[in-house]
Amino acid sequence: AQSVTQLDSHVSVSEGTPVLLRCNYSSSYSPSLFWYVQHPNKGLQLLLKYTSAATLVKGINGFEAEFKKSETSFHLTKPSAHMSDAAEYFCVVSEEGGATNKLIFGTGTLLAVQP
Amino acid sequence: NAGVTQTPKFQVLKTGQSMTLQCAQDMNHEYMSWYRQDPGMGLRLIHYSVGAGITDQGEVPNGYNVSRSTTEDFPLRLLSAAPSQTSVYFCASSFFPDREETQYFGPGTRLLVL
Repeated sequence: AQSVTQLDSHVSVSEGTPVLLRCNYSSSYSPSLFWYVQHPNKGLQLLLKYTSAATLVKGINGFEAEFKKSETSFHLTKPSAHMSDAAEYFCVVSEEGGATNKLIFGTGTLLAVQP
Repeated sequence: NAGVTQTPKFQVLKTGQSMTLQCAQDMNHEYMSWYRQDPGMGLRLIHYSVGAGITDQGEVPNGYNVSRSTTEDFPLRLLSAAPSQTSVYFCASSFFPDREETQYFGPGTRLLVL
């Protein structure tokens, strides 16, 4: 069965420092992987997605993620954090098999950005 | 485009009451789905639809009904609300039921069952 594991439930960084949010996945096939962001009391917004093209994926707001099959990882990074990046981030895998778009979510990482 | 819209934003119910959470999209998306979000658990799939007239169960379907009479609308019905259904509910849609498709989420409905 597929799954995603977000290794940190909370991450705190200072403004201007790098961000690293870690995600490991489990999948029998080449997965489709996503990162979504949720700002307080808001819906979810797609940051980026990997669908078996380039392993380094660039997203919105300066975020990027690298798909590493050997490590079964899809970590999210940003060179320099901004106060507006404070939010909850979800690593997501799309379920395998058939015509489906069922998403399997990680438990989320809450990013705090200190001034 | 308004995207994915959900009503109401907030709702308080008493145990045993019924209600319908509304979801609509104006992007002509075939695929629509409902998720619930609980603290520390991410989002979990309740029901989904791959087109008008076609629905199926997700991971946590008990206590919920859905129907899809039009492409645009995908209401979620709570038949007899229970405190365990206190949660934030998100509706999502995508063009096709394909694992590479991006899903677009609504703003959510916050439900409290007393």
